[in-house]
Amino acid sequence: NAGVMQNPRHLVRRRGQEARLRCSPMKGHSHVYWYRQLPEEGLKFMVYLQKENIIDESGMPKERFSAEFPKEGPSILRIQQVVRGDSAAYFCASSLNGRDNEQFFGPGTRLTVL
Amino acid sequence: GIQVEQSPPDLILQEGANSTLRCNFSDSVNNLQWFHQNPWGQLINLFYIPSGTKQNGRLSATTVATERYSLLYISSSQTTDSGVYFCAARSGGNKLTFGTGTQLKVEL
Repeated sequence: NAGVMQNPRHLVRRRGQEARLRCSPMKGHSHVYWYRQLPEEGLKFMVYLQKENIIDESGMPKERFSAEFPKEGPSILRIQQVVRGDSAAYFCASSLNGRDNEQFFGPGTRLTVL
Repeated sequence: GIQVEQSPPDLILQEGANSTLRCNFSDSVNNLQWFHQNPWGQLINLFYIPSGTKQNGRLSATTVATERYSLLYISSSQTTDSGVYFCAARSGGNKLTFGTGTQLKVEL
């Protein structure tokens, strides 16, 4: 049973470009979470999605960031007009349901903004 | 929201030593997880333990939910145990709140 998949693993963008991060949950999981880890810090929650629905986006910056989890295909975290402060590791997690179940994490995407 | 605190922030061990890492949380939890972030940045699930005790090889964990703390025990430490250990808790809602981690270095 494959784990949570994320791609790309490393992404380099220049200021002002767009970054698209992809996450495929574990097989059978329909709940996806995105977290961000700034250098030398712990992980911070960004957004929680189910298929075709954003359930909780309380941790998302108000501008430039968006997320989706379409009926078919991976979840996408999109960052428009990236700035140097967006440089971080972005982790995706999935769970079987949205209540008490364990969250399983992917390997992360390390975004570097030049 | 829930607050999660970990101690100690840093720990250096000689190979073969035992250690205990602590995680305190400020509210009742319905999810408590321990992770190991290795030097390559990958986050490895260690335990899902909202209450009780679990063991996996040289690692074990105990959560005392009524007293709002969890402990991670590492026995006979190896250099491959080096990295950062995070606990994360959920109290209602959907998101995990992470502690600031314990940086562990195991030396030969």
